[in-house]
Amino acid sequence: QVQLQESGPGLVKPSETLSLTCTVSGGSISSYYWSWIRQPPGKGLEWIGYIYYSGSTNYNPSLKSRVTISADTSKNQFSLKLTSVTAADTAVYYCAVEGDYMGFDHWGQGTLVTVSS
Amino acid sequence: EIVLTQSPGTLSLSPGERATLSCRASQSLSSRYLAWYQQKPGQAPRLLIYGASTRATGIPDRFSGSGSGTDFTLTVSRLEPEDFAVYYCQQYGSAPYTFGQGTKLEIK
Repeated sequence: QVQLQESGPGLVKPSETLSLTCTVSGGSISSYYWSWIRQPPGKGLEWIGYIYYSGSTNYNPSLKSRVTISADTSKNQFSLKLTSVTAADTAVYYCAVEGDYMGFDHWGQGTLVTVSS
Repeated sequence: EIVLTQSPGTLSLSPGERATLSCRASQSLSSRYLAWYQQKPGQAPRLLIYGASTRATGIPDRFSGSGSGTDFTLTVSRLEPEDFAVYYCQQYGSAPYTFGQGTKLEIK
């Protein structure tokens, strides 16, 4: 059973860079698509982007200029960097994996990141 | 970008009743790439249905999905107390992946 766990700072200052890591256990990131998704408090879900095991990436155009997703296969982790954050980036950030034509069948528990000085 | 519009925004029903949730896409989708999720407070979303109509592992058969093209439906045949939650549809056939805004299923 694949398990995902997000980690990173819970508080980031405006204009700084948000950095999160997702550690995967029970499966290898050397297959499938690995995504980041966020949810502002009390609001809906927004897909941020994914990395494929080959290293190719795809980002939401609404965030593309500020987002980088990378992977470290030796650690079985993938990471999110979001630059120049504002209060609008305050959200619970989830990592998730797509099964074969299945949508997101495994999710991390989510981590709340607050942007505030 | 494919916009998904869910209706109603809130659905008030009693346990034992039937729930019908709608998801309409701004352009035709391949049914293979439409999913439904359930989210309870403080929890990550849980995959219920993928490919528009296939139940994910461990999902009770009171949950069913149907539809094609631009109109999709999630039906809960007999509501159990644990089914009251927020439900999202999502398309994953065309990047950027998008979610509907959600339907809150609340106890009447």
